[in-house]
Amino acid sequence: ILNVEQSPQSLHVQEGDSTNFTCSFPSSNFYALHWYRWETAKSPEALFVMTLNGDEKKKGRISATLNTKEGYSYLYIKGSQPEDSATYLCAPQGAAGNKLTFGGGTRVLVKP
Amino acid sequence: KAGVTQTPRYLIKTRGQQVTLSCSPISGHRSVSWYQQTPGQGLQFLFEYFSETQRNKGNFPGRFSGRQFSNSRSEMNVSTLELGDSALYLCASSLEPSPGDQYFGPGTRLTVT
Repeated sequence: ILNVEQSPQSLHVQEGDSTNFTCSFPSSNFYALHWYRWETAKSPEALFVMTLNGDEKKKGRISATLNTKEGYSYLYIKGSQPEDSATYLCAPQGAAGNKLTFGGGTRVLVKP
Repeated sequence: KAGVTQTPRYLIKTRGQQVTLSCSPISGHRSVSWYQQTPGQGLQFLFEYFSETQRNKGNFPGRFSGRQFSNSRSEMNVSTLELGDSALYLCASSLEPSPGDQYFGPGTRLTVT
């Protein structure tokens, strides 16, 4: 799987506002789509693993949707808080093993 | 349950030397993957081991190698270090069957001078 693109590259959000960003990936040889949150000086933290077209997952104020036919996923943050400041990475997974191909990430900064 | 551990956390080496990094997965996890993170290239997949066998390999030169032991601990080795090998090396472990969450360790920061 090549050409995983995330947009925008960075985002400044006011505390309390909601935001969303995109992950685009080739739809061929798709097996699963992973979302991670990576805070500075910490390890990447798994948010969601999504496999089915139309999947929607939610964890607290963060949710994600998946369209495998057109090759994109959206991640939404509702009511952003300063602790949501992090880089959000998506990574599609092909069918063979656990190889993940990461996008460049969307860096989110939530201003109080 | 203890998380993924990596040793050492920081390392400084000279060009031409070799280095070995270690990763201990979460207990019960048999799949270990390695990634390289650099500012210019982002997070790139190096290889994955499952039950002591390399199951996947990324597009890295043969200087990068790895292995996995019977207790699922994994090591990666980089020979003839180059300045461009300076990076954060992360390992991740996961349960089978795939797909499932991959749990990342804190990483080893390698600096090549």
